[in-house]
Amino acid sequence: EAGVAQSPRYKIIEKRQSVAFWCNPISGHATLYWYQQILGQGPKLLIQFQNNGVVDDSQLPKDRFSAERLKGVDSTLKIQPAKLEDSAVYLCASSLHGAYNEQFFGPGTRLTVL
Amino acid sequence: AQTVTQSQPEMSVQEAETVTLSCTYDTSESDYYLFWYKQPPSRQMILVIRQEAYKQQNATENRFSVNFQKAAKSFSLKISDSQLGDAAMYFCAYRWLYSGGGADGLTFGKGTHLIIQP
Repeated sequence: EAGVAQSPRYKIIEKRQSVAFWCNPISGHATLYWYQQILGQGPKLLIQFQNNGVVDDSQLPKDRFSAERLKGVDSTLKIQPAKLEDSAVYLCASSLHGAYNEQFFGPGTRLTVL
Repeated sequence: AQTVTQSQPEMSVQEAETVTLSCTYDTSESDYYLFWYKQPPSRQMILVIRQEAYKQQNATENRFSVNFQKAAKSFSLKISDSQLGDAAMYFCAYRWLYSGGGADGLTFGKGTHLIIQP
């Protein structure tokens, strides 16, 4: 079974530029999560999708971050404009519906904002 | 809001020895899950072990076991017969079972860097 796919693996941009990350969850997983992991910290949930609807985006900085999950499969996370403090690893995870189901994580995208 | 605290930024153990990683959490809920995740340098988060709060019996997965103390809100991970491949960041995480609207994202601690000495 293929795991959660993410691209790109690495991205370097200048501050005030825009950037987008892509995630393809495990086939059949209705729930998709985006986490931000700043160096030296644990991951922090940014947004959770159930199919193509947003379940929780309470920690998403909506003035610069946006995310979508068209057709309830792939998802894109965008930052516009980027700030220095957005430098982090962005992790995508997916699971079957229900809190008792395991979340499977992708390899992440490391973003460096200069 | 729930919080997860890992007070050991780094731990070191000799290969084949036993090591215990500590985790405490704060919640007003009674039904939840607790997890230990492993993150090697490749960054891929891997589930190590899971504990349901309603179960009194401590979870065990091969060389990995937990000591779950619900009243004390403590959830430690014991790794027996440590191997070089166990070297990684270890994160403790919490998940509320019945949050409204189906929100069930994980709340993570800051992690413990585990070093295995050969």
